[in-house]
Amino acid sequence: EMILTQSPGTLSLSPGERATLSCRASLSVGSSYLAWYQQKPGQSPRLLIYGASSRATGIPDRFSASGSRTDFTLTISRLEPEDFAVYFCQQSDASPNTFGQGTKLEMK
Amino acid sequence: EAHLVESGGGLVQPGRSLRLSCAASGFFFDDYAMHWVRQAPGKGLEWVSGISWNSAILGYADSVRGRFSISRDNAKNSLYLQMRSLSADDTALYYCAKDRGSGGVSGMDVWGQGTTVTVS
Repeated sequence: EMILTQSPGTLSLSPGERATLSCRASLSVGSSYLAWYQQKPGQSPRLLIYGASSRATGIPDRFSASGSRTDFTLTISRLEPEDFAVYFCQQSDASPNTFGQGTKLEMK
Repeated sequence: EAHLVESGGGLVQPGRSLRLSCAASGFFFDDYAMHWVRQAPGKGLEWVSGISWNSAILGYADSVRGRFSISRDNAKNSLYLQMRSLSADDTALYYCAKDRGSGGVSGMDVWGQGTTVTVS
């Protein structure tokens, strides 16, 4: 089973700052098969990024992502208050699909 | 607008079975792969199972393989998860999710609100 390790576990930042979240895979992941999700308390997850770098419908352009093989990054250029949430990466290249353990982005 | 509604959750004793359902609307169900994802209380997301548009490709997490069975009825726009030999480790909120593509590898762009399964 492919393991995705996200870092940091918790990231404390202020609105307006830049956030950089990491997702590292135990095996190489094809870029087409890496996605990022946002989850707020009491809500269902929301797809942010698919194909490692493509924004999903309706996602603001302050969200961007990049990476390849085993190292992927989600960047939020200028944090808005509504961005404070938990973020998960997910791979679908190797069966079974797996999620990272999540990064909690909290307001400082 | 695409919409998913899960049902069938509840309180069940260890060792028993339960069947979850997911009703889809607002999109052409036949065209897309579907998934079940669960989240234990206070924990992260765990992919449980997925099924391609035509049911030809099925996938399961190691933790449920042999106990859970995914299926779909395209005529009824419905997804199912048959769960057997349940244990406390299966206690979670179970989400139904739509894939962006037909094969189940393109990211999950529509999620239901979830149905809670408690094994106790």
